[in-house]
Amino acid sequence: GDSVTQMEGPVTLSEEAFLTINCTYTATGYPSLFWYVQYPGEGLQLLLKATKADDKGSNKGFEATYRKETTSFHLEKGSVQVSDSAVYFCALSDRGNTGKLIFGQGTTLQVKP
Amino acid sequence: DAGVTQSPTHLIKTRGQHVTLRCSPISGHKSVSWYQQVLGQGPQFIFQYYEKEERGRGNFPDRFSARQFPNYSSELNVNALLLGDSALYLCATSGTDKNIQYFGAGTRLSVL
Repeated sequence: GDSVTQMEGPVTLSEEAFLTINCTYTATGYPSLFWYVQYPGEGLQLLLKATKADDKGSNKGFEATYRKETTSFHLEKGSVQVSDSAVYFCALSDRGNTGKLIFGQGTTLQVKP
Repeated sequence: DAGVTQSPTHLIKTRGQHVTLRCSPISGHKSVSWYQQVLGQGPQFIFQYYEKEERGRGNFPDRFSARQFPNYSSELNVNALLLGDSALYLCATSGTDKNIQYFGAGTRLSVL
């Protein structure tokens, strides 16, 4: 079945460092891809999305490009802030009638001043 | 506009009991999905309802059930609670683009 694999965390960076969180997927067909962020004690917030190959999603300085050839959707940010500390989830939608989301296990990011 | 609201925020139950969790969608959203998030893992899909009909079910036992009401709010019911049901239960709703789901803050269920 469809699945998402993320790099294991935690990832610890200093403020203004470059961030990459790797995400690869396995799916039949052409799913939509998402990054969600979860701050402590809160639900998930959609960070960015891409719906077809070579699409680039971007928001709040974060970017991810839908790479069909490598089945990847890596999250990047050029300069992280302490406020970016959170858990990041990569997910795919199976495009079926349900819109069901399949999530990776999450990557914890901690940014130190 | 109010976001997705879930109640209660926290709940403590004992094994064998029954629990009902509630979700109110964003105004205009007709689709509601439920997810279970065990500590340290990603959310797992439980159910999706659209226009009061079940449209999808994840790999969960029959102890889990749900329904959607005419106002599009939803309830998730879990019978005969087990310790392993302890988790954060998330509700997500979507509008015309069902690929864009908006999540509530969740209900934290602890089973003792």
